[in-house]
Amino acid sequence: EDQVTQSPEALRLQEGESSSLNCSYTVSGLRGLFWYRQDPGKGPEFLFTLYSAGEEKEKERLKATLTKKESFLHITAPKPEDSATYLCAVQGMNYGGSQGNLIFGKGTKLSVKP
Amino acid sequence: DTEVTQTPKHLVMGMTNKKSLKCEQHMGHRAMYWYKQKAKKPPELMFVYSYEKLSINESVPSRFSPECPNSSLLNLHLHALQPEDSALYLCASSQVGLYNEQFFGPGTRLTVL
Repeated sequence: EDQVTQSPEALRLQEGESSSLNCSYTVSGLRGLFWYRQDPGKGPEFLFTLYSAGEEKEKERLKATLTKKESFLHITAPKPEDSATYLCAVQGMNYGGSQGNLIFGKGTKLSVKP
Repeated sequence: DTEVTQTPKHLVMGMTNKKSLKCEQHMGHRAMYWYKQKAKKPPELMFVYSYEKLSINESVPSRFSPECPNSSLLNLHLHALQPEDSALYLCASSQVGLYNEQFFGPGTRLTVL
């Protein structure tokens, strides 16, 4: 069964204190791994797609990496405005039709204190 | 335009009401999705439309009825809902094919009294 586990559930950082969020996945053939940021009461905001092990992508203070079993979202020198819930999702090959489901993790709630 | 819009932002309805949620995208995407999200939970897929045809229905109760009038619009018709249906309803769109990141709208906060 396809599965996504994110850790930690919650993370509190001081401004400028770098850290990483983890997304472990089990999927029958990875089509893509996606990172989203979600603010309270709003829709998820797309951040990155990773397709193959070894791939890395960066955007401002965020860097996403992918191995065959997990992905990391590294946050360098975070600011209070980076506070949000970060969701990881995977899409596998074994779905009928032309579109596949996204299997979401439960998210990591990040709080950055000034 | 890289935006998915949803209306209304908030909706309060009684259990006997009929209402509709609307979603629009102008990114040329041919796949559109409805998700339901409860507090502190990840989004749960409800329906997928591909080329304006329903391709996935995740065993959603018939009180939720999706409609895709054209490639840019997606509706969700609501009837005889229960209080436990209160949630954030999210619309998303993507390209059809192997590489298809989904872009989400801001959501409609639905409260069923």
